Amino acid sequence: DAKTTQPPSMDCAEGRAANLPCNHSTISGNEYVYWYRQIHSQGPQYIIHGLKNNETNEMASLIITEDRKSSTLILPHATLRDTAVYYCIVRVEGQGGKLIFGQGTELSVKP
Amino acid sequence: DTAVSQTPKYLVTQMGNDKSIKCEQNLGHDTMYWYKQDSKKFLKIMFSYNNKELIINETVPNRFSPKSPDKAHLNLHINSLELGDSAVYFCASSLTSGRDFRFGPGTRLTVT
Repeated sequence: DAKTTQPPSMDCAEGRAANLPCNHSTISGNEYVYWYRQIHSQGPQYIIHGLKNNETNEMASLIITEDRKSSTLILPHATLRDTAVYYCIVRVEGQGGKLIFGQGTELSVKP
Repeated sequence: DTAVSQTPKYLVTQMGNDKSIKCEQNLGHDTMYWYKQDSKKFLKIMFSYNNKELIINETVPNRFSPKSPDKAHLNLHINSLELGDSAVYFCASSLTSGRDFRFGPGTRLTVT
């Protein structure tokens, strides 16, 4: 699985959009970009994933660059409850096996 | 309708003891995992079972022995506990394809 690079921490004002970047310059053509988050030592929670096209669900949007070497997770209106560690993971979908977690980005949403 | 559950939530024990953590999933998944999150918050996979068979063992000490009595359960037994075993242990499950990966709430183990 390709390696990802994320900033260790970010701040965001409550109600504003939180944009979390991820670099995955060695991503291969069949690897998907997944995002998970972990709120205060709870179990990690799935947010969104995508291959090439931008994706949106009720939690967030995922923007993947055309060359697929980086992506951005967008929380459109961050709340205090979005304070968490956000993990960007690349892996081949449809292939069984582990999720490999990096250090993630610690997002602090401030009032 | 808890998807992945673990017991106990907290476990405090002394060095040298043997303890078990239980995990159950009601999602119909074929694959289950154990992850360890240490004090530095790094999440690392320990084991993975698919249809009750061990498929991943990430160089975990022999004191750790997972057991899967059926597809819905994956228990973790730890012998001769050491201070360094103190961590939060997360159980997870997924389909064989790796899709629909879900985590349990975690078990915080403290060894004194």
